[in-house]
Amino acid sequence: TQLLEQSPQFLSIQEGENLTVYCNSSSVFSSLQWYRQEPGEGPVLLVTVVTGGEVKKLKRLTFQFGDARKDSSLHITAAQPGDTGLYLCAGARSGSRLTFGEGTQLTVNP
Amino acid sequence: GAGVSQTPSNKVTEKGKYVELRCDPISGHTALYWYRQSLGQGPEFLIYFQGTGAADDSGLPNDRFFAVRPEGSVSTLKIQRTERGDSAVYLCASSFSGEDTQYFGPGTRLTVL
Repeated sequence: TQLLEQSPQFLSIQEGENLTVYCNSSSVFSSLQWYRQEPGEGPVLLVTVVTGGEVKKLKRLTFQFGDARKDSSLHITAAQPGDTGLYLCAGARSGSRLTFGEGTQLTVNP
Repeated sequence: GAGVSQTPSNKVTEKGKYVELRCDPISGHTALYWYRQSLGQGPEFLIYFQGTGAADDSGLPNDRFFAVRPEGSVSTLKIQRTERGDSAVYLCASSFSGEDTQYFGPGTRLTVL
């Protein structure tokens, strides 16, 4: 069974701080998605990374896919209270099911 | 355009009852997925449809769970003889055929008393 390990599980920081969330696996994925989920809502797609070594930026968020396509990271610069939420990484294998990590619950305090 | 929609948003039922959860995917998406999410955890795969057929149902926990997609669009997840352990948020997602990126609906929160 594929397994995605996400860390840290919980993160509470002050507004303006930087943070990194990690997503690691022993399996190779065709792509990896990052989602953000708020209470009572479904996961909302942030980015899809496909190529090993790929880096994508979305405003203050930087996503990286590992060279071997087994791991990924999400870095947030100057976090804001609006960044609060559950961040999920999910690995895909060629258009089939997603395998999710357990999520990182981020709280950004004003 | 419209995203994935799910109804009902909340469902409360008693142990032993039958429930149906509905998913309406994004128009044109041939692939449809059902996941189940417990509080504070990532979603877990249940079943995947390509068109009308179930391409992978290996995530269904037991034979009380069944899903259909008779016309290749709307899907219904059916749970018989519900148990308290079935309480969770049931998420539906859809995508274009062969594409990895999936778009999720808001989920149905099922509570079995």
